[in-house]
Amino acid sequence: GAGVSQSPSNKVTEKGKDVELRCDPISGHTALYWYRQSLGQGLEFLIYFQGNSAPDKSGLPSDRFSAERTGGSVSTLTIQRTQQEDSAVYLCATGWGMNTEAFFGQGTRLTVV
Amino acid sequence: QKEVEQNSGPLSVPEGAIASLNCTYSDRGSQSFFWYRQYSGKSPELIMFIYSNGDKEDGRFTAQLNKASQYVSLLIRDSQPSDSATYLCAVNGNSGGYQKVTFGTGTKLQVIP
Repeated sequence: GAGVSQSPSNKVTEKGKDVELRCDPISGHTALYWYRQSLGQGLEFLIYFQGNSAPDKSGLPSDRFSAERTGGSVSTLTIQRTQQEDSAVYLCATGWGMNTEAFFGQGTRLTVV
Repeated sequence: QKEVEQNSGPLSVPEGAIASLNCTYSDRGSQSFFWYRQYSGKSPELIMFIYSNGDKEDGRFTAQLNKASQYVSLLIRDSQPSDSATYLCAVNGNSGGYQKVTFGTGTKLQVIP
């Protein structure tokens, strides 16, 4: 497709389970961001990948959160031992490079029950 | 000081009026500035970008940049109820040693019919 694709669109999981969220960037985009947005709140930065450089992990809230980006393309955000406070919309955004705009996917709504 | 600051609002304006949204940023070396619109339950979408000091107009929208004062603003002329949304300011600059896009928390705009 032409846009940033995220899957799944919705995920309901039980507390304590692990989840994986996927982001397929626009072809050729080297910059990739993950954000979390709780209901009625602003974007919370999680992690940033730029090309083959070491990622900026400064926004990850705990060691239960991790992300990887294979081959500079698809990215997976993993949350281990999910907690109810992890419930939010997880947004991925990608861009051509460091100084350009970012385009958002439709998000994954995660609900931990 | 936050890297990108916006008044959270809500900013209420009557239909047909000019809505003025403001944003300040901390990295004096920032080069690229973006405005995104986010409707409730949707992902942010890019509506304007500006790189040079001064004004940039696109239809009813005008972005204004003043690098000396480190602020960027968005004016919406002839505001419509359909403009009711949260507007996010984003700045590409140095954050924690990484050159990346950083978002403000957004200003909620309400256009009253």
